[in-house]
Amino acid sequence: AQSVTQPDIHITVSEGASLELRCNYSYGATPYLFWYVQSPGQGLQLLLKYFSGDTLVQGIKGFEAEFKRSQSSFNLRKPSVHWSDAAEYFCAVVPLGGYQKVTFGTGTKLQVIP
Amino acid sequence: DGGITQSPKYLFRKEGQNVTLSCEQNLNHDAMYWYRQDPGQGLRLIYYSQIVNDFQKGDIAEGYSVSREKKESFPLTVTSAQKNPTAFYLCASSLTGGGGYTFGSGTRLTVV
Repeated sequence: AQSVTQPDIHITVSEGASLELRCNYSYGATPYLFWYVQSPGQGLQLLLKYFSGDTLVQGIKGFEAEFKRSQSSFNLRKPSVHWSDAAEYFCAVVPLGGYQKVTFGTGTKLQVIP
Repeated sequence: DGGITQSPKYLFRKEGQNVTLSCEQNLNHDAMYWYRQDPGQGLRLIYYSQIVNDFQKGDIAEGYSVSREKKESFPLTVTSAQKNPTAFYLCASSLTGGGGYTFGSGTRLTVV
């Protein structure tokens, strides 16, 4: 069965510092990969997605993610964090052709300090 | 603007009552989903529907029921059989070709 691991439950960074959130997946073939962001009490918003092609994908709000097949990873990065980035971030995996079979990670909560 | 509307935002239920959570989308998406979110557990799929008048159970369907009479609407009923219904419920939709989900803003259900 496919699985997604986000090893960091909480991360605290200073405003202006760089950010990397980790995501590892376990699946037989390269799946579709997504990152979502959730503000408190709100739904999830899609940040970016990887289907194929260039392994570095750009998303909204200045985020990017790099797909590394050899490491089964899809880490999310941002060069300079803003206070408004404080939220919970979810990595998600979808098998090819199985759009309804999304597996979400358990989330990483980001705290930004001044 | 297109999107998904969930209502109400907050809902309180007494023990033994059924309650229905509303989800409406105007994105012309074929597929719709209901997820339950509990702290530290990520999102768990309750039910999903790929076309009108058809739906499938997800990983935690017991104690829940859905209907899909219109493409735009996918209401979720939390029945009295659901032993621990207090949670945050999220509705989502997508194109059947994939591309990511669009989520509603959620309904927080509390049993009192």
